[in-house]
Amino acid sequence: NAGVTQTPKFQVLKTGQSMTLQCAQDMNHNSMYWYRQDPGMGLRLIYYSASEGTTDKGEVPNGYNVSRLNKREFSLRLESAAPSQTSVYFCASGIGPGPYEQYFGPGTRLTVT
Amino acid sequence: GQQVMQIPQYQHVQEGEDFTTYCNSSTTLSNIQWYKQRPGGHPVFLIQLVKSGEVKKQKRLTFQFGEAKKNSSLHITATQTTDVGTYFCAEGSSGTYKYIFGTGTRLKVLA
Repeated sequence: NAGVTQTPKFQVLKTGQSMTLQCAQDMNHNSMYWYRQDPGMGLRLIYYSASEGTTDKGEVPNGYNVSRLNKREFSLRLESAAPSQTSVYFCASGIGPGPYEQYFGPGTRLTVT
Repeated sequence: GQQVMQIPQYQHVQEGEDFTTYCNSSTTLSNIQWYKQRPGGHPVFLIQLVKSGEVKKQKRLTFQFGEAKKNSSLHITATQTTDVGTYFCAEGSSGTYKYIFGTGTRLKVLA
């Protein structure tokens, strides 16, 4: 089992460019999450998907869109990247709503210049 | 909104010394989870506490949940260089999908 995988590992974008971050899990989990991690601010939830076909906003959704393509895959899209979106992005999955543990992917380090 | 604060933000210890990080909330927590993130890595789940006053141990790590369920602590006895990383607490509110993470405590262990 690969667990949670993310692509790409690193990305540099210019302001205004768009891109999609991919995430997949092979643990048959219902819920999936996208977080961003900035220095000194911990992990902040961007969007989550409780199950296939549903998505909901987290704490910091502005500037992002998501798609739950199927049970395995949950993508995060930046339509027009801004320097404020420079961060490390983590995808996670879990069995269901709290309080179950979350399994994190290796992360995508994104720089927007 | 709800916040989960962690202290200290950073801690440097000599190998063999003990280390404690604290997680505090202004509201009652339904549960508390602890994660460890190695430098350059991703968060890895360590443990979950649910009951008031609960204490759990994993080898040299001791986790406590306060009696009022507003705070929690992680204590490492006799730190080793493998303990280096950032320790996060998080609340996974029962029945919701929103997990609130603390700001983390970064631990450095000097050999």
